[in-house]
Amino acid sequence: SSELTQPSSLSVSPGQTANITCSGVKLDDKITCWYHQRPGQSPVLVIYRNAVRPSEIPERISGFISGNTATLTITGTQATDEGVYYCQLWGGNSDGVFGPGTKVTVL
Amino acid sequence: QVQLRESGPGVVKPSETLSLDCAVSNFSIASGYYWGWIRQPPGQGLEWIGSIFHSGSTFYNPSLNSRVSISLDTSRNFFSLKLTSVTAADTAMYFCVRSIIHESSGYGFWGQGILVTVSS
Repeated sequence: SSELTQPSSLSVSPGQTANITCSGVKLDDKITCWYHQRPGQSPVLVIYRNAVRPSEIPERISGFISGNTATLTITGTQATDEGVYYCQLWGGNSDGVFGPGTKVTVL
Repeated sequence: QVQLRESGPGVVKPSETLSLDCAVSNFSIASGYYWGWIRQPPGQGLEWIGSIFHSGSTFYNPSLNSRVSISLDTSRNFFSLKLTSVTAADTAMYFCVRSIIHESSGYGFWGQGILVTVSS
């Protein structure tokens, strides 16, 4: 089991905002990244270095750290945002650790 | 755009060694970045196995450290994973990956994955 905590599932209406949290360890000296995995596909990196978006990721996806919680925010949620979102940490003893994943459903 | 493709046996017997290769296209693995392996048991979450820097420095998941090794073959532009003494718990989809920048901060490039089943 992961040392990180994420909500197991999240339902959001189209056009609304989804906030996915990742917590469980001190984040002061850690770097967080986030992945989106659709069924049957390889994960896609959507945020790295806590808040940086790869060039192909839309601006409505953002990440930030507050205290010991990392949050991935998806605004204007679309059907294509469905899938499982994983956080991953880098730094110290948490190098490479993944969160358990949050399944996002757009209803 | 860099492309990665895993190859290896789809079935490995218990107690034997799992060996996978990752062929890299459109980029020289000697040029930089971290190259790694991640696995996902059927229906479960992701697990980081480890990574290797282009210089050859390796970093492994402590829970697998005694059984895992990752190496580079710059002449053939691929890198490899070896996992010894496998059990049914090692049954998973194995992905090879590359970091998005020259540090451990996220993997921006993934192979399609290869399913490895541990079974006699």
